Amino acid sequence: QLQLQESGPGLVKPSETLSLTCTVSGGSISSSSYYWGWIRQPPGKGLEWIGSIYYSGSTYYNPSLKSRVTISVDTSKNQFSLKLSSVTAADTAVYYCARQTPLIAYGVDWGQGTLVTVSS
Amino acid sequence: QSALTQPASVSGSPGQSITISCTGTSSDVGGYNYVSWYQQHPGKAPKLMIYDVSNRPSGVSNRFSGSKSGNTASLTISGLQAEDEADYYCSSYTSSSTLVFGTGTKVTVL
Repeated sequence: QLQLQESGPGLVKPSETLSLTCTVSGGSISSSSYYWGWIRQPPGKGLEWIGSIYYSGSTYYNPSLKSRVTISVDTSKNQFSLKLSSVTAADTAVYYCARQTPLIAYGVDWGQGTLVTVSS
Repeated sequence: QSALTQPASVSGSPGQSITISCTGTSSDVGGYNYVSWYQQHPGKAPKLMIYDVSNRPSGVSNRFSGSKSGNTASLTISGLQAEDEADYYCSSYTSSSTLVFGTGTKVTVL
């Protein structure tokens, strides 16, 4: 049973960089069949795709966030990570990591999500 | 990219059928069969209910079905049950190699 677990600070100051890691267990992040993505959900609002990465490092990003987002993968640790720079209160959200296939089309497995609050 | 358009809320009585629409453009919903639907209960992660417009993952009740016509996809829940009360989101792959979600629909079982 594949499991994904998000980890990282729950509080980030405005203008700083939000950093989260997703640890994959019960399967290999190097599987050729899957992409690995980040999706967020502001409190009381809808889902927003942030971006996705393949184990080789190939990435896709949401154009509206692309200038501030970096997604990376560490196959040795079976982890992938999200960095979102210059955060504001609008970036306060529950951040989910997910396994996606084919390409980035579907989130077939999701982490439980982690709330990140941007506040001074 | 703009979110796909869904009704804010849909309600029905137990046993009834309801349909949720998801309207996009020819660059997303209308251009690809990579349309999916997610169910999300409060405080929980989304769960994939439909993929490839109309396919159900293993373990998803056959009371859930999907379809598409032009730029609009639809999710139908038949034999509505109390446990179906949740938020539902559609999503679509796009011509820009991105993923877009719908605005979300709250389903209420009366």
